[in-house]
Amino acid sequence: ETGVTQSPTHLIKTRGQQVTLRCSSQSGHNTVSWYQQALGQGPQFIFQYYREEENGRGNFPPRFSGLQFPNYSSELNVNALELDDSALYLCASSSTQGGKNIQYFGAGTRLSVL
Amino acid sequence: DQQVKQNSPSLSVQEGRISILNCDYTNSMFDYFLWYKKYPAEGPTFLISISSIKDKNEDGRFTVFLNKSAKHLSLHIVPSQPGDSAVYFCAASATPYNTDKLIFGTGTRLQVFP
Repeated sequence: ETGVTQSPTHLIKTRGQQVTLRCSSQSGHNTVSWYQQALGQGPQFIFQYYREEENGRGNFPPRFSGLQFPNYSSELNVNALELDDSALYLCASSSTQGGKNIQYFGAGTRLSVL
Repeated sequence: DQQVKQNSPSLSVQEGRISILNCDYTNSMFDYFLWYKKYPAEGPTFLISISSIKDKNEDGRFTVFLNKSAKHLSLHIVPSQPGDSAVYFCAASATPYNTDKLIFGTGTRLQVFP
């Protein structure tokens, strides 16, 4: 149990729609990262938020956007959904311990775009 | 361009024997490496890490070896147990402080049979 919770667990949307995924970080963690895991692939970094500011972005288009709130919970928003957006979306919160930063992952939201 | 590669999609090992999972990387800037384990319907769980100043790190049954000149790392599990059956992801970062994103491999599915 990592203490990182994501909602919803499953979601079905149609092409062109918009979706919001939510993540509640582990207590005391001020950094949250979002990853996309397509079937048969490893997680791919989308972006990271630190103290409510975007702190790094992977190779994803602007229709992928995020928010981090004062309580360090976070949202991932995807506009104009495409079929290829179907994937498991993982949220990870992190803190620095002993000079090392370990990311703790939630169970993910599985998004299906039809 | 796959910067972190796990060339074996699956591995089957008998209980009690050694499991060896391999990972290769191409980016010489990577300085910190992690292994995550993932069970179905759960998020990846941190297992063990190693920084480039070391060539070996051990934690119980798990040992990670790093060969910087070959840009290769491996995870050894001894003895293997049925509960170790999961997908194992190798991940890399340019810093242990996570100012950069984690780059994941595609994973190796380990099955430990009795």
